[in-house]
Amino acid sequence: NAGVMQNPRHLVRRRGQEARLRCSPMKGHSHVYWYRQLPEEGLKFMVYLQKENIIDESGMPKERFSAEFPKEGPSILRIQQVVRGDSAAYFCASSPGTSGTDGELFFGEGSRLTVL
Amino acid sequence: RKEVEQDPGPFNVPEGATVAFNCTYSNSASQSFFWYRQDCRKEPKLLMSVYSSGNEDGRFTAQLNRASQYISLLIRDSKLSDSATYLCVVVPGTASKLTFGTGTRLQVTL
Repeated sequence: NAGVMQNPRHLVRRRGQEARLRCSPMKGHSHVYWYRQLPEEGLKFMVYLQKENIIDESGMPKERFSAEFPKEGPSILRIQQVVRGDSAAYFCASSPGTSGTDGELFFGEGSRLTVL
Repeated sequence: RKEVEQDPGPFNVPEGATVAFNCTYSNSASQSFFWYRQDCRKEPKLLMSVYSSGNEDGRFTAQLNRASQYISLLIRDSKLSDSATYLCVVVPGTASKLTFGTGTRLQVTL
């Protein structure tokens, strides 16, 4: 199955630690999106990346959060000095091109972060 | 006002019933519209696109009303397997990011 792969599926961190979430897009897809879903809430856009470029990071908190999509390897969402409010499901999605017109994003199964 | 608003539900309906969800959006320049489905603790998946002329896919019908800025999803002959959260999705302007509503939960019962 060459779907979007996210790891880890579950991550537990203590306050102040760092969390790194990885996402490998579908084969042939060069566009990656990160969304966050808080319990009982909708998906919130965080960042849109293409290889080596951040295209839109309007949904990223100004501090502690960063994302990259290097030329080689998976996209990484990094959260420094985690706080309890960062506990959420983080979904990565990919598309072959811009998703604006055909709307199909292929999502990974998500990484569930729990901050103790 | 939220960019995309949905009634969270839950909508509890018996098998075989017809159920409709509405969704409103705030940006009149929005370009594209979709319905996604999300099962409990799973990832969202595209259900169908929404076209101005309306479109149908089996038991599912989607409609767009640009003048009133709302989108609807109609499910006929509901099945137990339709139980899920239905997410309204809007592409605002020419931006590529998809904006998701908070979802409407549907529970189909025997």
